[in-house]
Amino acid sequence: QVELQESGPRLVKPSETLSLTCEVSGFSITTGYYWGWIRQPPGKGLEWIGNIFHSGTTYYNPSLRSRVTIFVDTSNNQFSLKMSSVTAADTAIYYCARSAYDREDYWGQGILVTVSA
Amino acid sequence: SSELTQDPAVSVALGQTVRITCQGDSLRTFYACWYQQKPGQAPVLVFYGKNNRPSGIPDRFSGSRSGNTASLTITGAQAEDEADYYCNSRDISGNHVLFGGGTKLTVL
Repeated sequence: QVELQESGPRLVKPSETLSLTCEVSGFSITTGYYWGWIRQPPGKGLEWIGNIFHSGTTYYNPSLRSRVTIFVDTSNNQFSLKMSSVTAADTAIYYCARSAYDREDYWGQGILVTVSA
Repeated sequence: SSELTQDPAVSVALGQTVRITCQGDSLRTFYACWYQQKPGQAPVLVFYGKNNRPSGIPDRFSGSRSGNTASLTITGAQAEDEADYYCNSRDISGNHVLFGGGTKLTVL
């Protein structure tokens, strides 16, 4: 059974860097899927942030590309997100997910990250 | 265009059939998938591809595509189907993920 679990600081100060990790269990991240991050501001819709393949190939949302880095740690079966220069607009629930060619089929439960001084 | 457009809200009487739509140029190339999200919960995949329902999803959920429009149909809507529904696909390159803005379904 594939399970994903997000972790990281739940409060980040404006202008600082948001860092989250997604731990994957029940499935090896080196087995042919992309792994991605999606966020949802409170009361709003879903926004794709980006994906990574275990080889390191990444794709990012063009609107966030300048501030986002996703990287993978195959030895610990996890992948991570860094988002720099955050503002209040980056306050959201951040989800990690397994990404097939046509769907995100397994999601973590999500972690609420608040940007505030 | 790299956008997916959904109606913000739709309502249906209990037991009736409702169709939720999603429009976008990329849907001419890629099938949409659909997520159900209830308050305080992560999205759940309810339909994907040409005709695929994940295990555990009731068969009252079905999907279709015509031109640049994808549809999720709920045949015989139940009270527990009241939720937000999001469509998802890929952009023309196939590398970027797109989400629709979501449709809030109310079951009357």
